[in-house]
Amino acid sequence: GENVGLHLPTLSVQEGDNSIINCAYSNSASDYFIWYKQESGKGPQFIIDIRSNMDKRQGQRVTVLLNKTVKHLSLQIAATQPGDSAVYFCAERGRKLIFGTGTRLQVFP
Amino acid sequence: DTGVSQDPRHKITKRGQNVTFRCDPISEHNRLYWYRQTLGQGPEFLTYFQNEAQLEKSRLLSDRFSAERPKGSFSTLEIQRTEQGDSAMYLCASEGLNTEAFFGQGTRLTVV
Repeated sequence: GENVGLHLPTLSVQEGDNSIINCAYSNSASDYFIWYKQESGKGPQFIIDIRSNMDKRQGQRVTVLLNKTVKHLSLQIAATQPGDSAVYFCAERGRKLIFGTGTRLQVFP
Repeated sequence: DTGVSQDPRHKITKRGQNVTFRCDPISEHNRLYWYRQTLGQGPEFLTYFQNEAQLEKSRLLSDRFSAERPKGSFSTLEIQRTEQGDSAMYLCASEGLNTEAFFGQGTRLTVV
C-alpha cells in the first residue's frame, strides 16, 4: 500500500516470548489503523484497531501502540503461542483498507 | 468461518479465457469490497459497493475486470481474456454499519 509499510518481513520468536511487529505509515492525516492476522489459505482476520486520539489499546494478549509523532505503530503479542504463527498486516482505514506488505511471525518451541 | 463465502476456492484457467468469481457477504452488511493479493504482498483494493452502487474502483481494475452487485446482496467479479499476471488470490470482504470488515477465504486464480 502507498501509505503503510512494515520494517521486517519475518520475525521468529520462541514460544512464550513476547512478539513485537512494527509498522510505519506516511500519511499524517491517517486517523484509524487496524491490525490483521492472516493464516495460510485464509483471508485476513481482524485483531485490534486504534484511532489517532489514542496512544495505546489493549486486547486479549495483544496491545497496539500508536506514535503519531513518528508515524509508527506496533503490535505486541504477549506469551506468543504456536497458533499465533501467521502473517500480520497493519492497515490504514479510510474509505477503504490500505494494507502494508506484512510480517511473517514464526513461533518455534 | 467469518460468514463471507467465496466461490470457487480455486480456479485454474487458460490464458485468454474468462472467469467469474462470486462472493456472498454477511446478509445484513451493506458494504462489499474486492481485493487482490499476490504472494508475499498485502491485499490491494480493487473496488467496493455500498448496497448495489459501485462507489469506487482502483486503477488496478483494468477494462478486463468488471464487478457487479445487482441486488445489493451477492457480488460477482469477472475477468475477461485472462493473463498470467492475473494469477492471484481474490478476496471479498463485507462490512456493516458499525462492524469491521470480515473477509472470505478468497478465490485463488491460476492462469496457465
